[in-house]
Amino acid sequence: SQQGEEDPQALSIQEGENATMNCSYKTSINNLQWYRQNSGRGLVHLILIRSNEREKHSGRLRVTLDTSKKSSSLLITASRAADTASYFCATDRGQGGSEKLVFGKGTKLTVNP
Amino acid sequence: DAGITQSPRHKVTETGTPVTLRCHQTENHRYMYWYRQDPGHGLRLIHYSYGVKDTDKGEVSDGYSVSRSKTEDFLLTLESATSSQTSVYFCAISESSFRADTQYFGPGTRLTVL
Repeated sequence: SQQGEEDPQALSIQEGENATMNCSYKTSINNLQWYRQNSGRGLVHLILIRSNEREKHSGRLRVTLDTSKKSSSLLITASRAADTASYFCATDRGQGGSEKLVFGKGTKLTVNP
Repeated sequence: DAGITQSPRHKVTETGTPVTLRCHQTENHRYMYWYRQDPGHGLRLIHYSYGVKDTDKGEVSDGYSVSRSKTEDFLLTLESATSSQTSVYFCAISESSFRADTQYFGPGTRLTVL
């Protein structure tokens, strides 16, 4: 019952480049969140964007939301080796209308020094 | 990981044995969750709690039970462990309900069922 699907599944870039990850979802949402997971660790919340917002910034992170296309993107600017992690989107509504926080399968980002 | 601990952090057990994982929080958050994370499946909700003694099932609850007798503790029990329950288990907490709130995750428990 996956709601959000990240794309690409894996991304490898050089330090200093920008990284863009996308998330598509199927049903209407109230909000969408992005989380980061470093290898062997728990997930860490990055940013929450509400359905009435189109863009949100936090430091080097920029999140956009297009509810008409049911998609969101996470942009990390001027990437660093420390940004190497998996990134997950999570939406507050799953399939079938139940109100659960449902995570995608993630994008694995590798930033090469 | 601040304010959330999980124990044990690693466990190896045999098929058919009972296993209990513990999540402890010091944030006094009302909501607590148990997820499992498997390659190819991402993070899936097992059970959650919306208060002391108040729990409900997630999408992959078969074979698992939970209990919450105190605000700070949420236990996940595998009554009779199977190899398909080999996974990494994460506990999470949030102040309010699913709909609008951030979840904070523990460090995880790696469980291997032989």
